[in-house]
Amino acid sequence: DIQMTQSPSSLSASVGDRVTITCRASQGIRYDVGWYQQKPGKAPKSLIYSASSLQSGVPSRFSGSGSGTEFTLTISGLQPEDFATYYCLQHNGYPWTFGQGTKVDIK
Amino acid sequence: QVQLVQSGTEVKKPGASVKVSCKVSGYNFMNFYLHWVRQAPGQGPEWMGWINPDSGATTTAQKFQGRVSMTRDTSVSTAYMELNTLTSDDTAVYFCARWYYIFSVGYYDHWGQGTLVTVSS
Repeated sequence: DIQMTQSPSSLSASVGDRVTITCRASQGIRYDVGWYQQKPGKAPKSLIYSASSLQSGVPSRFSGSGSGTEFTLTISGLQPEDFATYYCLQHNGYPWTFGQGTKVDIK
Repeated sequence: QVQLVQSGTEVKKPGASVKVSCKVSGYNFMNFYLHWVRQAPGQGPEWMGWINPDSGATTTAQKFQGRVSMTRDTSVSTAYMELNTLTSDDTAVYFCARWYYIFSVGYYDHWGQGTLVTVSS
């Protein structure tokens, strides 16, 4: 199985901060990665697909980068509605696997 | 608009089976694969597999092979996920999700509301 090691597992930040979350794949997966935001009691929501493409309707403060084994989600200017848990998902090899998640809360 | 509506909460005893349904509307059921993803309490999502609603073909994670069945009924635009021989480790919210795939690009764009399955004696 392809392991997605996500870090950090949690972070505290303030409104306006720049936040960076990383996923490292156990083998090369091209750019077959998406980033999802999840709020309590809700289904995940797509933010980024193909490692760096911004989902329609998602604010431009969200960006993704990387290919191969290292992937990054950046939030430039954290907003109150961004406090949530974020997951990466690799869909290059079966079984598809999610990262362990990064919970972003208010400092 | 696109909607995925799942069946309701289930409480099962260890060793039993559960069948969760996912009824879609707002698009051609045949055009997009449907995936099943579960999430145990306080844990991250876990991918279970997918079904091609057009052909009925499935791919499931090896972890669940022999214990999970993914089917569909095209006449009612509904996909089903049945999980057998339940244990407490299967307690989770089960989601269906549409995999939007076009020009070699894909992502989950619509999700069901989730179905809580609790396994307890």
